[in-house]
Amino acid sequence: NAGVMQNPRHLVRRRGQEARLRCSPMKGHSHVYWYRQLPEEGLKFMVYLQKENIIDESGMPKERFSAEFPKEGPSILRIQQVVRGDSAAYFCASSPGQGMETQYFGPGTRLLVL
Amino acid sequence: DQQVKQNSPSLSVQEGRISILNCDYTNSMFDYFLWYKKYPAEGPTFLISISSIKDKNEDGRFTVFLNKSAKHLSLHIVPSQPGDSAVYFCAASAPQYSGGGADGLTFGKGTHLIIQP
Repeated sequence: NAGVMQNPRHLVRRRGQEARLRCSPMKGHSHVYWYRQLPEEGLKFMVYLQKENIIDESGMPKERFSAEFPKEGPSILRIQQVVRGDSAAYFCASSPGQGMETQYFGPGTRLLVL
Repeated sequence: DQQVKQNSPSLSVQEGRISILNCDYTNSMFDYFLWYKKYPAEGPTFLISISSIKDKNEDGRFTVFLNKSAKHLSLHIVPSQPGDSAVYFCAASAPQYSGGGADGLTFGKGTHLIIQP
């Protein structure tokens, strides 16, 4: 019974490169959430997706960041032209549906921008 | 504008005693509250949750109390064990499209619990 899977666990990029973070939800879960955690901070909501739909992206930066959850395959968080300030831990969570439901988190991807 | 606040960055408790972690919130639209535990370099692990229609939920050594009028919740761990040493995050959610904010969870900054032998 695999939990939420994220890869890579660690990602190093130079300024201006692209970062792609992948998330496979728990089996049976169709809702995916992305969060970012900066050092010494709590997790900040970025985006909520269902299959092929972005439901809420109110926490996403307006530029360079995008997310998708295709019909087949994992959810992808894409950061274009990374800057040093993008260095953070990015966590994905999944839930079976939406509402008062627990979200289960993956191990995170630690992005370091040099 | 921090809607979920954990005012104690750290807490030290002796093994076997009770650990009490506190959390305050400002958004009256929140109706579901969760506690997560996090070890370094790992993702948050769900511990316990409570809906706003209840004032207490218990699961083994963990009990969460909710005081809606004070907009305050607390997590009690008794007895505290060395493996409980971690960062604890309080999180809250509002009904979808409630206008209360994003559809994801709103997290506090965490409290680092240290259990001393």
